[in-house]
Amino acid sequence: DGGITQSPKYLFRKEGQNVTLSCEQNLNHDAMYWYRQDPGQGLRLIYYSQIVNDFQKGDIAEGYSVSREKKESFPLTVTSAQKNPTAFYLCASQDQALYQPQHFGDGTRLSIL
Amino acid sequence: GQQVMQIPQYQHVQEGEDFTTYCNSSTTLSNIQWYKQRPGGHPVFLIQLVKSGEVKKQKRLTFQFGEAKKNSSLHITATQTTDVGTYFCRSGGGADGLTFGKGTHLIIQP
Repeated sequence: DGGITQSPKYLFRKEGQNVTLSCEQNLNHDAMYWYRQDPGQGLRLIYYSQIVNDFQKGDIAEGYSVSREKKESFPLTVTSAQKNPTAFYLCASQDQALYQPQHFGDGTRLSIL
Repeated sequence: GQQVMQIPQYQHVQEGEDFTTYCNSSTTLSNIQWYKQRPGGHPVFLIQLVKSGEVKKQKRLTFQFGEAKKNSSLHITATQTTDVGTYFCRSGGGADGLTFGKGTHLIIQP
């Protein structure tokens, strides 16, 4: 069954700690995205990658880092520099062709301990 | 990039009433996509409109793209509790030319 898998579903971070959120897709999509969603709010783009070994900053990249070593995987690290990391993080993928629909994972809820 | 404005931000309706959300832009849009996010869930793609004046239907949902391709609407007839959630449009500027609106939260009172 094709899809996007995000893990873990829930994550807790201590002060000063970096944490990494996993996103794996088997849809053979070239493009992958990370969004942050705060309660009752819309989707804000953190980082995106349109091809392996390349990625671009989105609107709110500060305090986050990503890598794209494999087509299937696009992990997001929330660094200690992100002072307000509590949010719902959504990963999406999309066929590279322009204006294709995005497919989302189930998300990871990150909280501060 | 281009921004799309989505209104209203919140909409309370009685079950059985109709609901409409609008997505507006000051510039011509190449296309528009609509997504639904259930509470606690993730956005799910509903439909894409590309042609001027296009109208598409999915059961009780009607999607419309304006003649000038600057606005779009999603209309739900006779809402049901299963319609609860946030409806997003996606169009205009962004990483691949598209960005999400801020969404309309639909709250249904039984």
